[in-house]
Formats: sequence, structure tokens, C-alpha cells
Amino acid sequence: SQQGEEDPQALSIQEGENATMNCSYKTSINNLQWYRQNSGRGLVHLILIRSNEREKHSGRLRVTLDTSKKSSSLLITASRAADTASYFCAPHQTGANNLFFGTGTRLTVIP
Amino acid sequence: DAGVIQSPRHEVTEMGQEVTLRCKPISGHDYLFWYRQTMMRGLELLIYFNNNVPIDDSGMPEDRFSAKMPNASFSTLKIQPSEPRDSAVYFCASSWQAGVNGELFFGEGSRLTVL
Repeated sequence: SQQGEEDPQALSIQEGENATMNCSYKTSINNLQWYRQNSGRGLVHLILIRSNEREKHSGRLRVTLDTSKKSSSLLITASRAADTASYFCAPHQTGANNLFFGTGTRLTVIP
Repeated sequence: DAGVIQSPRHEVTEMGQEVTLRCKPISGHDYLFWYRQTMMRGLELLIYFNNNVPIDDSGMPEDRFSAKMPNASFSTLKIQPSEPRDSAVYFCASSWQAGVNGELFFGEGSRLTVL
């Protein structure tokens, strides 16, 4: 399967706490992307990490990638109620021209 | 640019009717993707185009589904005849370089309900 599998399926935290979501995949990849989906909206790209990178930061987001374990994690620090959304990982398979998504992690940040 | 534009945003129809969903990709993007999202199966890739040519339609569930891209600025996804199990949110996304170096830009989706 070319899609990533996010874990946990659902996560509920208090505002100000950190949220960590994990992604596992099975193929060799060029890069791995994370997307966010607010309720009733389309997916929005958050961050892309290339296969030769191990860690990447963007604002309150921190993404790690371990290609030996075929896994990635997304950390959202100091969470806010506005971070409530579903988060999807999309491993971009080497040689492919498409992206597959899993079922996502549903994050709820309680004010 | 206004982003990826999909229409209609909501469609309610009766079983057996034809449904046509429309998508206008971002200008300059050479890849266009159609996805379907349901609670049970998550986001499924149905078909994607490169330079208006269908590349992989292996995700299209059955012959009732068809997709076209007559030009670089317009694509349609048609279901004929529609069935209740086709109820889902259908997303169109476009990109440059198909995610190799960049991101996919999604529309807001078309929510289809087949009664």
C-alpha cells in the first residue's frame, strides 16, 4: 500500500499542551507530506520533509522522519483550539506521480 | 489565484440520476487529482491527469464513474447512474510536479448525497 497510516486515530488534549501524531508507511519515498483538514473543508498542506532530511520545523510544527523505520511524526507545540482538525500524512512514493492518504488523526484541542 | 474551485458544493439527488461534479484547477498546474472521502474508507484516489491526459484511473470504483479533462482549466467527474453508496465528499486537487517537490492544492469539495 502506498498510503500512510496515522496513529492515533483520535487525540484529545488541553489547550497549551503538545500534540504528537505518528505516521507509518511501507514504500521507499521521495518525501513525506503532512496535511490538515478542518471540518467541512479541503485539505491544506502543512509541511514537506524530504527523504534525506531527519527533522524540519515550521512555526509550531516539528516533523521528524526515520526512513529506516519508515515512520514520521508531527508535533504541534503549545496547541490552540484552532488546531482542532484532522491531520493526514502522505508519503510520496519514489517514482510515483500521485499521493495517497490514510484515514488521518482527529485532533481535538479543548480550550 | 482563487485556488482550486469545485462546483457544486452540495448536491442531493435520487438514485439513478446522473451527477456531474466540476473542477477548475489552479492555473499553471499540470496535475489534477480526484479523491473521494468517506468515514469508512477515508480519502481514496479515484483518478489523476497529467497535462489533461488521464494517467491512472485504477481507483475509479466502477464503470458508472467517468472523468474528463477537456482542457487545462476544467475537469469533470460524472456518475451515471448514481447509487446511495456513492454518497461522499469528492475533492479535486491540483499540483505542479505531482507532489515530487511540492504540495497538492485541494478544493473545498463537493458533498454528494444520493437518496
